[in-house]
Amino acid sequence: GESVGLHLPTLSVQEGDNSIINCAYSNSASDYFIWYKQESGKGPQFIIDIRSNMDKRQGQRVTVLLNKTVKHLSLQIAATQPGDSAVYFCAERRSQGNLIFGKGTKLSVKP
Amino acid sequence: EPEVTQTPSHQVTQMGQEVILRCVPISNHLYFYWYRQILGQKVEFLVSFYNNEISEKSEIFDDQFSVERPDGSNFTLKIRSTKLEDSAMYFCASSETKGLADTQYFGPGTRLTVL
Repeated sequence: GESVGLHLPTLSVQEGDNSIINCAYSNSASDYFIWYKQESGKGPQFIIDIRSNMDKRQGQRVTVLLNKTVKHLSLQIAATQPGDSAVYFCAERRSQGNLIFGKGTKLSVKP
Repeated sequence: EPEVTQTPSHQVTQMGQEVILRCVPISNHLYFYWYRQILGQKVEFLVSFYNNEISEKSEIFDDQFSVERPDGSNFTLKIRSTKLEDSAMYFCASSETKGLADTQYFGPGTRLTVL
């Protein structure tokens, strides 16, 4: 069936290290993906997006990689900081505009 | 920076009661959405709304749910007769357009607890 999901439920990294959060999707027709960050008690916050005609997109300290061959999406956070601690969701955007979210990965940053 | 706001932040209700969750989308946005998140689970789409009508709804959005834009600023979600399983965080979102790459901005959510 169609789904957007995450490989790992939790990820713990040392402050200053790079973090990699992964996501798998099964709908090969999906053409737009977004990463959201959700801090405790708050709504999802947009981080970065990527269209399916791209392999890589960079933002400030974040990079999203898309591998359409294996239907895999990743979010890389450089020099992870305590403020990066949150749950990260990948989401698929479809034609009508509603988002299909994955289950989320909880990132914990150790000082 | 403009933001989506939601009230109340926490709503407690008895099973079978009606609740109305309120949202004020970003002022120049034209597309509005409701999502819910059951504790510990992923965010799920409920409904999208444009030009005073529903654009799309999920199978979760049954006859117990309705949405309304009663004036130029508010966007509401009504649950007619709440069930225990309606307990969740409800997020409102808005976007300026409905293009594929248009960002949806989320509010802080309303935590609904049905007893």
